[in-house]
Amino acid sequence: DAGVIQSPRHEVTEMGQEVTLRCKPISGHDYLFWYRQTMMRGLELLIYFNNNVPIDDSGMPEDRFSAKMPNASFSTLKIQPSEPRDSAVYFCASSYRVSQPQHFGDGTRLSIL
Amino acid sequence: AQTVTQSQPEMSVQEAETVTLSCTYDTSENNYYLFWYKQPPSRQMILVIRQEAYKQQNATENRFSVNFQKAAKSFSLKISDSQLGDTAMYFCAFRKYNNNDMRFGAGTRLTVKP
Repeated sequence: DAGVIQSPRHEVTEMGQEVTLRCKPISGHDYLFWYRQTMMRGLELLIYFNNNVPIDDSGMPEDRFSAKMPNASFSTLKIQPSEPRDSAVYFCASSYRVSQPQHFGDGTRLSIL
Repeated sequence: AQTVTQSQPEMSVQEAETVTLSCTYDTSENNYYLFWYKQPPSRQMILVIRQEAYKQQNATENRFSVNFQKAAKSFSLKISDSQLGDTAMYFCAFRKYNNNDMRFGAGTRLTVKP
């Protein structure tokens, strides 16, 4: 079975540019999560969806961040405009039911210059 | 709020030896899940093992086992017969029973030496 697929694997862009990170969850999973990992703050949950509906976005740092899930097999995390402090590894994860473990993608390493 | 503490930033072990990574957590919940995730240099986050708080029996997955002490709020990971491929960051994580907000510890960097 294919795991959670994230793209791109690496992204380097200049401050002020729009950044879009993409995620394809495991087929059949009805929960999708976006995390951010930094040295200072570790792994933080940004937002999660259930059946394509955002359930909790309290971890989204500010209005520059937005996430969508237009269908069960695709989600995006967008940063506009990007800032150097957004540099981090962004993970997408999915799970089947709230009781099941979350399976992570390989992450996107984002560098904002 | 739930917090997860991993008090060992770094550890090392000789190949084929056994090592134990510590994790403590703070919660007022009675039912919850605990996890250990492994993050090798390749950056993947790989689920190693999980434990449901209502189960008294400690979870085991091949060379990986946990010592779950509910009263002490302790959840340590034991790796037996360590292999070079076990070199990674290990994260302990907590999640409430019917909630998706998973809290991670700061991680322990484990190095297996040949």
